[in-house]
Amino acid sequence: DIVMTQSPDSLAVSLGERATINCKSSQSVLYRSNNKNYLAWYQQKPGQPPRLLIYWASTRESGVPDRFSGSGSGTDFTLTISSLQAEDVAVYYCQQYYSSPLTFGGGTKVEIK
Amino acid sequence: QLQLQESGPGLVKPSETLSLTCTVSGGSIKSSSYYWGWIRQPPGKGLEWIGSIYYSGRTDYNPSLKSRVTISVDTSKNQFSLKMSSVTAADTAVYYCARQLNGYGTSGYYYFDIWGQGTMGTVSS
Repeated sequence: DIVMTQSPDSLAVSLGERATINCKSSQSVLYRSNNKNYLAWYQQKPGQPPRLLIYWASTRESGVPDRFSGSGSGTDFTLTISSLQAEDVAVYYCQQYYSSPLTFGGGTKVEIK
Repeated sequence: QLQLQESGPGLVKPSETLSLTCTVSGGSIKSSSYYWGWIRQPPGKGLEWIGSIYYSGRTDYNPSLKSRVTISVDTSKNQFSLKMSSVTAADTAVYYCARQLNGYGTSGYYYFDIWGQGTMGTVSS
């Protein structure tokens, strides 16, 4: 199984400041045949299901604000919120879909400082 | 607008079988473009993929749960279902159904783009 490790477990950021979340996979999720990283990011607010934010490591889902961006390749990935808004308070998860079983990171809780 | 809705008994006794159904509305489950998956989340914890199914009935399960899980599809009702046997308190969780894009690669499918609201499954005597 591919183990997904997120860091930090939680972070507190001032409104308008940058938030950075890291995700590391235990093996590469880069599929050489199409040069795509099989990595997604989700946002989950309390009492709600997860919401897809980013797929292919850096492609923003339709309707997702452009302050959210994803980067990285191979085994190391980052989700960045460029200017934190109050509505961004949530838990963020990364997920690999390179191989079965599909696996998620443990989550990173983002709060307002 | 495609929507998914989970349903099923909220309370199950230990050693019994948890049965849940996901109803797809606003689109057909018989699409070659998608798989349909189940994911669970114990209270206060992270997400765990249970398994996925294609409309043809092809399934893929998490090995950690495979011996106790069956996922099936009923295209006439636009539904897919989860059965988990021999449940214990550790199976208490919110259970989500979600849509996955059918894809190219090692796993054969991609990320979860549409999720149901989730249903709480509690195992207790």
